[in-house]
Amino acid sequence: EPEVTQTPSHQVTQMGQEVILRCVPISNHLYFYWYRQILGQKVEFLVSFYNNEISEKSEIFDDQFSVERPDGSNFTLKIRSTKLEDSAMYFCASRQRQSQGYTFGSGTRLTVV
Amino acid sequence: AQRVTQPEKLLSVFKGAPVELKCNYSYSGSPELFWYVQYSRQRLQLLLRHISRESIKGFTADLNKGETSFHLKKPFAQEEDSAMYYCALSTYTGTASKLTFGTGTRLQVTL
Repeated sequence: EPEVTQTPSHQVTQMGQEVILRCVPISNHLYFYWYRQILGQKVEFLVSFYNNEISEKSEIFDDQFSVERPDGSNFTLKIRSTKLEDSAMYFCASRQRQSQGYTFGSGTRLTVV
Repeated sequence: AQRVTQPEKLLSVFKGAPVELKCNYSYSGSPELFWYVQYSRQRLQLLLRHISRESIKGFTADLNKGETSFHLKKPFAQEEDSAMYYCALSTYTGTASKLTFGTGTRLQVTL
């Protein structure tokens, strides 16, 4: 069964540093997402991406965040200047069509120290 | 705005007992609902979609639009069902949809 792949599985970074989280969605999927889950809390929507542009972003997704699909296969989330409160599990997801299920990756655990 | 409510943080049942994980939603449009399961902080795995009306691992869920509910049920709990269960609502805005998750219910199946 096709999978959404995320790298790295765990990243530790110093406060103020830039991080890039990488995702390879399922190849024939058209809709891409980033979600985050702070430890012990619920899964929160960050951003949706379709047709090479952001479709919707949450209030969490401020100017420090950006997404890119640089080469037609990777889908990246960049955090420009990390804060302690950015520590969370970040999940990438993709969806083939609006009527299909969402497939999630295994997540990247980001720890900001 | 859309909202998903899972009132129980923890549900503890004995092996072989029936399970019902509650989910209520609030959405003015036509709802598309899902149940996801997360084992030991691994990836979120799709368990059920209300559209497909499948039964996966013995779990079923029926959309009740009158009560705005999508409760997850299983007649006989197994140890391997112990996990975190999230109810989620898919809504459409602009060019794409998104999922809104409930806070999750941890199911603990004991012997």
